Amino acid sequence: EVQLVESGGGLVRPGKSMKLSCAASGFTFSNYYMAWVRKAPAKGLEWVASINAGGGKTYYRDSVKGRFSISRDDAKSTLYLQMDSLRSEDTATYYCARLVDDWGQGVMVTVSS
Amino acid sequence: DIVLTQSPTTLSVTPGETVSLSCRASHSIGINLHWYQQKTNESPRLLIKYASQSISGSPSKFSASGSGTDFTLNINSVEFDDVSSYFCQQTQNWPLTFGSGTKLEIK
Repeated sequence: EVQLVESGGGLVRPGKSMKLSCAASGFTFSNYYMAWVRKAPAKGLEWVASINAGGGKTYYRDSVKGRFSISRDDAKSTLYLQMDSLRSEDTATYYCARLVDDWGQGVMVTVSS
Repeated sequence: DIVLTQSPTTLSVTPGETVSLSCRASHSIGINLHWYQQKTNESPRLLIKYASQSISGSPSKFSASGSGTDFTLNINSVEFDDVSSYFCQQTQNWPLTFGSGTKLEIK
């Protein structure tokens, strides 16, 4: 059974940093593209970033380019999202996903002073 | 960016009805279109991938069709457990994009 378990969320002040982790199991993690997707309160789903198998290519939505960094540790079967210079509009539930098939339960990130 | 427009925004139906949800893409995306169900406080669940491919373990009441720019998700015999938001997503081009969703309500 595929499992994706996010951690690292919480309350953070604007301009500060936070790092999310996603522990994967039940599949060969190193073989798959992985992604982060978020859902802000009362808004729809929004793709944030993706990384290819091997980690050599990364992709970001424009609003997070230069602030967020996606990475992976295949030895630990773990996906990361480093979020810097956080803004209030980054407040959302962040999901780790093996698009399109499997999603984690999500972790809440609140950016507020 | 490819914009996905879902309609209707909200759909209120009687149990037992069959409904169709629409997702239209601003540019052709072939069959790189996927449908998700998301219930309140839950993570999205894949229902259909690549426009019409059913998912193992997903109820047979969900079916979908389409290609290019027009896509449809059909839900047969709607029941209370189907109350959710339904989203489409394209994986044809970066950035990956989602539709804004259709909220299904039961009368």
